[in-house]
Amino acid sequence: GQQLNQSPQSMFIQEGEDVSMNCTSSSIFNTWLWYKQDPGEGPVLLIALYKAGELTSNGRLTAQFGITRKDSFLNISASIPSDVGIYFCAGRTTQGGSEKLVFGKGTKLTVNP
Amino acid sequence: SAVISQKPSRDICQRGTSLTIQCQVDSQVTMMFWYRQQPGQSLTLIATANQGSEATYESGFVIDKFPISRPNLTFSTLTVSNMSPEDSSIYLCSVLSYEQYFGPGTRLTVT
Repeated sequence: GQQLNQSPQSMFIQEGEDVSMNCTSSSIFNTWLWYKQDPGEGPVLLIALYKAGELTSNGRLTAQFGITRKDSFLNISASIPSDVGIYFCAGRTTQGGSEKLVFGKGTKLTVNP
Repeated sequence: SAVISQKPSRDICQRGTSLTIQCQVDSQVTMMFWYRQQPGQSLTLIATANQGSEATYESGFVIDKFPISRPNLTFSTLTVSNMSPEDSSIYLCSVLSYEQYFGPGTRLTVT
């Protein structure tokens, strides 16, 4: 089946630093999504990308849809303690006539004040 | 975006019993999904539940173990049947409302 390779698995940074994480795949996706999950909560949608090469920002977050449609990255600038959580990438694909999301394994972010 | 609620938020159950999880959405949606997230892991799709049709299950998940109901466009239930400790997970309801959104999850522990 399709798989997403998300890296890094975990990150430990100081408050104020910038963060970058990415997802790659051998398969093509027509949409890339980035979610954040806080402990005990469901994933919250941060950014959605729909076109190859698209670069989208949401506050301190910036994400890009790779030109090859096989990868995406998420950057967080000037990190703050509330950025702590697990970030998941997800690619949307069409299988058997229905659209499905394939998730990466997540990047666990720790921000030291 | 859609506002999704789930009940119960958490439960501790004995092996061999069943638990039904409810998912309520604040707007009508065609596509609803149920996911499982095992401790420290990513999300795995269990099934897609569209109103008016049988749920479509992913490989490794069967209707006898995870029966799903979808009586209308704002509500769905997932039952985890004949539970074992391996079923201890977070179960997440998700809907497609322009984009895909998730509920807060139901944290299930089976003893």
